Amino acid sequence: GAVVSQHPSRVICKSGTSVKIECRSLDFQATTMFWYRQFPKKSLMLMATSNEGSKATYEQGVEKDKFLINHASLTLSTLTVTSAHPEDSSFYICSAPLGQGVNGYTFGSGTRLTVV
Amino acid sequence: AQSVTQPDIHITVSEGASLELRCNYSYGATPYLFWYVQSPGQGLQLLLKYFSGDTLVQGIKGFEAEFKRSQSSFNLRKPSVHWSDAAEYFCAVGRNTDKLIFGTGTRLQVFP
Repeated sequence: GAVVSQHPSRVICKSGTSVKIECRSLDFQATTMFWYRQFPKKSLMLMATSNEGSKATYEQGVEKDKFLINHASLTLSTLTVTSAHPEDSSFYICSAPLGQGVNGYTFGSGTRLTVV
Repeated sequence: AQSVTQPDIHITVSEGASLELRCNYSYGATPYLFWYVQSPGQGLQLLLKYFSGDTLVQGIKGFEAEFKRSQSSFNLRKPSVHWSDAAEYFCAVGRNTDKLIFGTGTRLQVFP
């Protein structure tokens, strides 16, 4: 149970285009979704927290206009990388807390973005 | 401020040797602590977690970790390492629906 499906797993796009990454909670309602970015051989850095029906909260240094996060329903959160550049190439992964009483977090399988 | 420190960036051990990966945390409340493993190009797999109770927790793949409140530590151990354990290991701290904060990771290399 408590599965988050992340799609696509890999994407290659041209500089200047936008890419949307989706995370769907399959068997539970994810009121909150955390979006992380991982550079090669580095740790997971929290980019933003999305909450269903409200604006996302971005971590310091993350460009909110570059990384658009939408959490329109209790089962879907999306991250759109706008006007992508090669430096946006990275591994992006979403995570949903399982909530009080259950505890823990579930993760999507990640998206490898390559901008050429 | 909430943070997780993994002092060892890279550890090399021989197959069959014991392993201990260090993790120290800073958290305002009683933390929930996690260890994850990541193979190259893959997502995260939960090894074990601590919420409360017995401070020695058992996880998958023969791993265990001990929560020491006085030392703000949650070190991961394995008595005998296998070549398949070579991967990146992340310690993380969070609570309920709070954001999960990761350490910088420790890369484990295993020699035959």
